[in-house]
Amino acid sequence: QEQLVESGGGVVQPGGSVRLSCTASGFTFNNYGMHWVRQAPGKGLDWVAYVAFDGSYQYYADSVKGRFTISRDNSKNTLYLQMNSLRAEDTAVYYCVKDSHWSFDYWGQGTLVTVSS
Amino acid sequence: QSALTQPASVSGSPGQSITISCTGTSSDVGGYDHVSWYQQHPGKAPKLMTYEVINRPSGVSNRFSGSKSGNTASLTISGLQAEDEADYYCSSFTSFKNWVFGGGTKLTVL
Repeated sequence: QEQLVESGGGVVQPGGSVRLSCTASGFTFNNYGMHWVRQAPGKGLDWVAYVAFDGSYQYYADSVKGRFTISRDNSKNTLYLQMNSLRAEDTAVYYCVKDSHWSFDYWGQGTLVTVSS
Repeated sequence: QSALTQPASVSGSPGQSITISCTGTSSDVGGYDHVSWYQQHPGKAPKLMTYEVINRPSGVSNRFSGSKSGNTASLTISGLQAEDEADYYCSSFTSFKNWVFGGGTKLTVL
C-alpha cells in the first residue's frame, strides 16, 4: 500500500535552515505531483508548496516564497523541502502529500519543525 | 490569498444528517471544480473524503457527499456515527496557482 515517511524535523533557531525529506513507496512516485502541507500546533491546515510529477515546475505559498524550495529525486522516490530563514511562525507539523486530481490524496504522518532559540 | 470560510463547529445526533459549508470566491471555489474535503481525527494525519467537488475516493463511505453552488461548497454527512466526530477542512485550487484551505470545522456527535 501507499506509504509516505517524512524525516528531518527538529528544533532550529530563528534564521536557521533545515531540509525535510519524504520517502515514498507503494505507488509510482514519478507519476504524481507532490505537496508539502503544514499545521501549526492547535491550528488548521496550511498549504506550503507543490512540485510537478517530473519536477518541471513548482508553486509556493506567498508566506514561504523565496525562503523554501521544494524539489524531488525520482530515482530515489524522495521529495524534499529546503527551508531557509526560518521564523517562529514556521513552527508546525509538516506533511508530505501525494496529489491526485488537484487534491491532497494521501498524507504522510508528518514531521515536527520547531523554530525557537 | 484568504482562507476559505467554514463554520467553527457543527453538531448532530447519531443517525442525523449535517452539512458543513465552505465559502470562497470566484478565484477559487467558484472558479474551479478542484474542491476537496478532509477529515482529521486528533493526533492523526488528514484523510481525503471527497475530491473534484462530488467524487469519493475508494473506501470512503457513501454517507459523505460533496456539492457546490456558486462560491460555496458543502460536505454533507448522512446517518451520523460516533466515528465521524473529527475536524473537517475544505480546500480549493485557485487562479493564483496555489491551494487554499478553510479554517476547519469541528464536528461533534451528540
